[in-house]
Amino acid sequence: KQEVTQIPAALSVPEGENLVLNCSFTDSAIYNLQWFRQDPGKGLTSLLLIQSSQREQTSGRLNASLDKSSGRSTLYIAASQPGDSATYLCAAPTHSNYQLIWGAGTKLIIKP
Amino acid sequence: DTGVSQDPRHKITKRGQNVTFRCDPISEHNRLYWYRQTLGQGPEFLTYFQNEAQLEKSRLLSDRFSAERPKGSFSTLEIQRTEQGDSAMYLCASSLGTRTDTQYFGPGTRLTVL
Repeated sequence: KQEVTQIPAALSVPEGENLVLNCSFTDSAIYNLQWFRQDPGKGLTSLLLIQSSQREQTSGRLNASLDKSSGRSTLYIAASQPGDSATYLCAAPTHSNYQLIWGAGTKLIIKP
Repeated sequence: DTGVSQDPRHKITKRGQNVTFRCDPISEHNRLYWYRQTLGQGPEFLTYFQNEAQLEKSRLLSDRFSAERPKGSFSTLEIQRTEQGDSAMYLCASSLGTRTDTQYFGPGTRLTVL
């Protein structure tokens, strides 16, 4: 059974720094892994989807990597901005019905 | 493609009342999922539909919860005799239903049970 973990639960960094968010999963036979952003009290915005055959995906200042053998994915944010402050969640689909199994998220605060 | 929409965005109700939420998926998507999210946690799966068929329900979905997707288009989630523990964000997502596909989420319905 897939389990997804995100550590740390919260992270605070000064504006302009590059940072890495971590996501671990237990089942390496993963179809894909998806990163989402959630602003307080809001819904989920999909950021990046990495297929199992891919090693990384990039969108603007965001780069997500996937290492199935170690059960890890990272989300790299370059040149962080206060507008990047949000909770970032990762999720992977189950094999049976593709429902997403979620980490609890990392709350990111970028200090001006 | 107007994205996934949910209505209402917020609902405040008294304990014991019934509530109903609606989700309109992306039109060509045949899969529709409902998730529930409580504060500080990731979403948890509730149920999903393939077209109009409800194929799986989580054990989180007690008999007070019912979901429908008539004609394989929009879906409704009804909670009867609401309890304070039902207070959460209810999220709807849709997809094409393949293992490589992205799930697209609506803005959610935030339920507060007083």
